[in-house]
Amino acid sequence: DGGITQSPKYLFRKEGQNVTLSCEQNLNHDAMYWYRQDPGQGLRLIYYSQIVNDFQKGDIAEGYSVSREKKESFPLTVTSAQKNPTAFYLCASTPGKGARQPQHFGDGTRLSIL
Amino acid sequence: AQKVTQAQTEISVVEKEDVTLDCVYETRDTTYYLFWYKQPPSGELVFLIRRNSFDEQNEISGRYSWNFQKSTSSFNFTITASQVVDSAVYFCALSEAGAAGNKLTFGGGTRVLVKP
Repeated sequence: DGGITQSPKYLFRKEGQNVTLSCEQNLNHDAMYWYRQDPGQGLRLIYYSQIVNDFQKGDIAEGYSVSREKKESFPLTVTSAQKNPTAFYLCASTPGKGARQPQHFGDGTRLSIL
Repeated sequence: AQKVTQAQTEISVVEKEDVTLDCVYETRDTTYYLFWYKQPPSGELVFLIRRNSFDEQNEISGRYSWNFQKSTSSFNFTITASQVVDSAVYFCALSEAGAAGNKLTFGGGTRVLVKP
């Protein structure tokens, strides 16, 4: 079945460490997105990419980095500059860049500080 | 700037009761899209419905119904005869046609707890 796979499901980060969250989709979608969800809150956009080798900052990009070398993959790196990384991270995709397209989501990665 | 407000943070009902989730939005765009997503305990967001700004028809899908009122900038969601499986967090979201990157702005979510 087509879908979005996020790994790992749980991730722990030590102080000063960079960690990378994986997001892979086999839906042949052009656009991909990363969101952060804090307890009791809605989702906030970190980065998005509408095409391979191009990506744009969302509302809360500081302390994060991404790459889009392949259409199916959009990994997110949480750098040591992100001082409060504990959150639930969700990856999403859409076929194209139209505002009317619902986003398809992965199962998420829960990141905690050791 | 676009904004979505879900004033109810948590609603608790007994099975078979109806429950209505409120969603109020703000936008300057004349063309926009409203969405509802369900987030079960497993964590993934499941798309439920999309409504565009030019279509104010209410919609019913099984036990779910949606009431879109442009005059009050609201897009409310009702679950009729609730079931335990409806327990989840429900998010309302807004996308503006003129915004870059198909950006979705989410409300804070409403947690629905259906007790047997």
